[in-house]
Amino acid sequence: DAKTTQPTSMDCAEGRAANLPCNHSTISGNEYVYWYRQIHSQGPQYIIHGLKNNETNEMASLIITEDRKSSTLILPHATLRDTAVYYCIVRANNNAGNMLTFGGGTRLMVKP
Amino acid sequence: GAGVSQSPSNKVTEKGKDVELRCDPISGHTALYWYRQSLGQGLEFLIYFQGNSAPDKSGLPSDRFSAERTGGSVSTLTIQRTQQEDSAVYLCASSLTYQNPLYYGYTFGSGTRLTVV
Repeated sequence: DAKTTQPTSMDCAEGRAANLPCNHSTISGNEYVYWYRQIHSQGPQYIIHGLKNNETNEMASLIITEDRKSSTLILPHATLRDTAVYYCIVRANNNAGNMLTFGGGTRLMVKP
Repeated sequence: GAGVSQSPSNKVTEKGKDVELRCDPISGHTALYWYRQSLGQGLEFLIYFQGNSAPDKSGLPSDRFSAERTGGSVSTLTIQRTQQEDSAVYLCASSLTYQNPLYYGYTFGSGTRLTVV
């Protein structure tokens, strides 16, 4: 699986957009980009995923560069409850286990 | 059920004792995954199930660890002769299908916090 690089931590003001970057320069053509987050004392929560097109759902938007070597997760109006560790994961959809490998993630702190 | 349920939520055990951790996946989810997370660390993959079978057990840390799944539903992770380094939060996740679970996303439980004293 392609390796991802994320900043260790970020701060964001409440109500502002949180933009979380992820580098995955060795991504392969059949690998998707997944984002999960883990709020303190809870299990990880699926946010969004994409292949090459930008994606949006009720939680966030995912912007993938044209060369697919990096992506940005956008929380349009961050709230205090969005404080969590955000994981960017790259994985191909196939039958080889399909387990997700979680790296260190980005610790997002939303401040009042 | 509405979500992935894990029990117990907390377990304190003495070194050398055996423990069993239980995971009830979402009804109808055929794929089930076990991870563990040590304090302040990332998630470490342990094992996954396609239905009742576990094709790859290489993620289990030692032969003291075993897991089974029955009826395509409940899974049990057993740790024999627990050691202090086994202390961690053990997380279970399920997904609708193992053919393409990543597309549907994982749903995680809240975990079992195991403390070996």
